[in-house]
Amino acid sequence: DIQMTQSPSSVSASVGDRVTITCRASQDISSRLAWYQQRPGKAPKLLIYSVSSLVSGVPSRFSGSGSGTDFTLTISSLQPEDFATYYCQQATSFPRTFGQGTKLEIK
Amino acid sequence: EVQLVETGGGLIQPGGSLRLSCAASGFTVSSKYMTWVRQAPGKGLEWVSIIYTGGSTYFADSVKGRFTLSRDYSKNTLFLQMNSLRAEDTAVYYCVGAPNEYFFDDWGQGTLVTVSS
Repeated sequence: DIQMTQSPSSVSASVGDRVTITCRASQDISSRLAWYQQRPGKAPKLLIYSVSSLVSGVPSRFSGSGSGTDFTLTISSLQPEDFATYYCQQATSFPRTFGQGTKLEIK
Repeated sequence: EVQLVETGGGLIQPGGSLRLSCAASGFTVSSKYMTWVRQAPGKGLEWVSIIYTGGSTYFADSVKGRFTLSRDYSKNTLFLQMNSLRAEDTAVYYCVGAPNEYFFDDWGQGTLVTVSS
């Protein structure tokens, strides 16, 4: 199975800050990577697919980059509604696997 | 508007069986790749299974041989049959629809399965 490792596991930040979350795959996953946002008590929401493609309706302050094994999700200017948990996910092989999550908290 | 509604969760004893339903609206279940993802209480996301538009299925090793997938076209519903349930199957189960096999676009609200004596 492909292991997905996110860092940090949690981060505290303020409204307006720029935040970067990293996801590392245990092997090359090409561009088959997605990012999800999950607010407490809610279902996850797809934000970005194929590394950097933004889902329609997702604010442009979200961006993704990377290739091979190392990927990043960047939020350029945090808004109050962005405080949530973020997961990366690989789609190169079965089983599909997720990172352990990064909890973004308000400082 | 695409909507997925999961039902069928509840409290079940170890070794028991449960069938989860995922009723779709706004599209036909046969036209999308349908996936189940689960989340144990306080934990991260775990992929469980997928059914392709053509009917092929794949399962996580942790549920292979115990869980099966099926579709009822007349009810536009996806089913996850779960047998020989274990405590570690306790989780919120999400039904997800997507236009491809790779990423998970449209999520239901989830249904909680608790396996406990």
